[in-house]
Amino acid sequence: NAGVTQTPKFQVLKTGQSMTLQCAQDMNHEYMSWYRQDPGMGLRLIHYSVGAGITDQGEVPNGYNVSRSTTEDFPLRLLSAAPSQTSVYFCASSYRGATEAFFGQGTRLTVV
Amino acid sequence: KNQVEQSPQSLIILEGKNCTLQCNYTVSPFSNLRWYKQDTGRGPVSLTIMTFSENTKSNGRYTATLDADTKQSSLHITASQLSDSASYICVVSRFNTNAGKSTFGDGTTLTVKP
Repeated sequence: NAGVTQTPKFQVLKTGQSMTLQCAQDMNHEYMSWYRQDPGMGLRLIHYSVGAGITDQGEVPNGYNVSRSTTEDFPLRLLSAAPSQTSVYFCASSYRGATEAFFGQGTRLTVV
Repeated sequence: KNQVEQSPQSLIILEGKNCTLQCNYTVSPFSNLRWYKQDTGRGPVSLTIMTFSENTKSNGRYTATLDADTKQSSLHITASQLSDSASYICVVSRFNTNAGKSTFGDGTTLTVKP
């Protein structure tokens, strides 16, 4: 049982480049979400999904897109990377929204 | 505004000692409160989850308490070990929020020294 798997673990982008952070879970959870964590700050919600085909914005959605075509996968797309998007990104899944969440290992993204 | 405040921001203790971390919140209406442990470079891992009717929950050497009237929670760590060095995050969720929008605290960084 792999839980929540994020790829890649590390990524360096140039300003203006686009990329997709991958997230997959094998627990058949309905709810998936993306967070960013900046040094000394708490986790901030970017986007979330309550099921396949349904997504919504979180606290800091600007510059990011998501889609949920299957229960298992929830990719996060950076449209045009900016240095302000340098952060550690975590994907999480849970049976329902306000219950115990299982987090991936994170993707450390640096935009230069 | 829904807020979660954790204290202290950081804490250093000696191995074998006990410690208590605090979490105060203004999130309303309340659904549940969760404590997570986040080791450096890793994702958070759930320690406890408490609903309105629960005032104490234990997970090994970790004991969480909840006072829903004063909107305060604490996480008590007994007989600390070096592996307890981590960030501890308090998360509070609103009642009937199917979307599961939760409010995260900034965490308390605990360092256990030998």
